[in-house]
Amino acid sequence: DIQMTQSPSTLSASVGDRVTITCRASQTISNWLAWYQQKPGKAPKLLIYKASRLESGVPSRFSGSGSGTEFILTISSLQPDDFATYYCQQYNSYSPYTFGQGTKLEIK
Amino acid sequence: QITLKESGPTLVKPTQTLTLTCTFSGFSLNTSAVGVGWIRQPPGKALEWLALIYWNGDKRYSPFLKTRLTITKDTSKNQVVLALTNMDPVDTATYYCVHTPEWLLSHFDYWGQGTLVTVSS
Repeated sequence: DIQMTQSPSTLSASVGDRVTITCRASQTISNWLAWYQQKPGKAPKLLIYKASRLESGVPSRFSGSGSGTEFILTISSLQPDDFATYYCQQYNSYSPYTFGQGTKLEIK
Repeated sequence: QITLKESGPTLVKPTQTLTLTCTFSGFSLNTSAVGVGWIRQPPGKALEWLALIYWNGDKRYSPFLKTRLTITKDTSKNQVVLALTNMDPVDTATYYCVHTPEWLLSHFDYWGQGTLVTVSS
């Protein structure tokens, strides 16, 4: 199965900062990658799919990039509502779907 | 508007079988490419995909749990049922029902609120 590794595991930032979270796949997954945001006690919310496609209703300050084995989630200007845990997920058809271990975005 | 809601026991004993029902609205499992699945999350840990069933009856399971999992659908009732046999305390988790709009290459665009299942004697 394909392993997904996120970095960093924890990220401290301030409102207005530009932040990036990296997700690496143990083998190539083309652009079959999604990003989710999860707040405490809530279900995850889809932000990005197919590596760079913004889900409907998601603010444009979120963007995704990458292909193959390395992917990046960027938040261009952090807002108070963005402090949460973020997960990447690969969905290559020849492997079970797997998630990264999560990146907790904290207020500095 | 797509919604999904999980239902089932909150407490099960070790060795028992867990049966969870996902009741959904806003879409049909007769629609081409659509699928419904299950993902779980142990307390304080990451997400783990378990199973998917698609509009055409195709089923996919996590290879790590395949021998213990069964997923079925009842299109007329807009329900998907997950069974997980031989429950163990490590199976304690919040179980989420999810919708995917694409066959096989599946990201999950709608999630249920989740249901916490505790395994304890």
